[in-house]
Amino acid sequence: DQQVKQNSPSLSVQEGRISILNCDYTNSMFDYFLWYKKYPAEGPTFLISISSIKDKNEDGRFTVFLNKSAKHLSLHIVPSQPGDSAVYFCAARGGGSEKLVFGKGMKLTVNP
Amino acid sequence: EAQVTQNPRYLITVTGKKLTVTCSQNMNHEYMSWYRQDPGLGLRQIYYSMNVEVTDKGDVPEGYKVSRKEKRNFPLILESPSPNQTSLYFCASSLGGWDEQYFGPGTRLTVT
Repeated sequence: DQQVKQNSPSLSVQEGRISILNCDYTNSMFDYFLWYKKYPAEGPTFLISISSIKDKNEDGRFTVFLNKSAKHLSLHIVPSQPGDSAVYFCAARGGGSEKLVFGKGMKLTVNP
Repeated sequence: EAQVTQNPRYLITVTGKKLTVTCSQNMNHEYMSWYRQDPGLGLRQIYYSMNVEVTDKGDVPEGYKVSRKEKRNFPLILESPSPNQTSLYFCASSLGGWDEQYFGPGTRLTVT
């Protein structure tokens, strides 16, 4: 049973526009959520995180929103740049476990 | 430079021939982990270690072994590789807990 779901495998947006990447989770005990970005032939790199006590966290062009009642989080990238083209993984942790549970990933393409 | 290194980066081997993928980090991190990435399945944890001589199974440990004799090293051992272990493998480390993990560049393994 997949606890962290990224239901859209890909997203294509124009440079300068907003990119919105979505993630749903099923385990209500998750208390910490992260986004990782992965370029081809490289390992994932940490992008941004949010604790369950917050509903928004912002870092430059990247903002993560958390809706606990809907068990949903989203990553907003504004404005999108071609260098943002990558695979984005949503991950979650909690419920007494220190293990990170990852989603399947979503490929973002930002067109010039 | 703070980094996680993995060797080899690419490996083609045959069924049943024992192999080891090394992982080393220079950040004095206590936590280390191995993941495999497969198309449509995202990142799945194989084994993790919270400290020297402390290891535990992740979500897909079958067919793998690990050891943690020193803090910096966390090798992944395939005693008798099989074709279903063909995958992209990532080693990761973090200072504490599982929040911000630093990933290695990946090892692409093909078992024929």
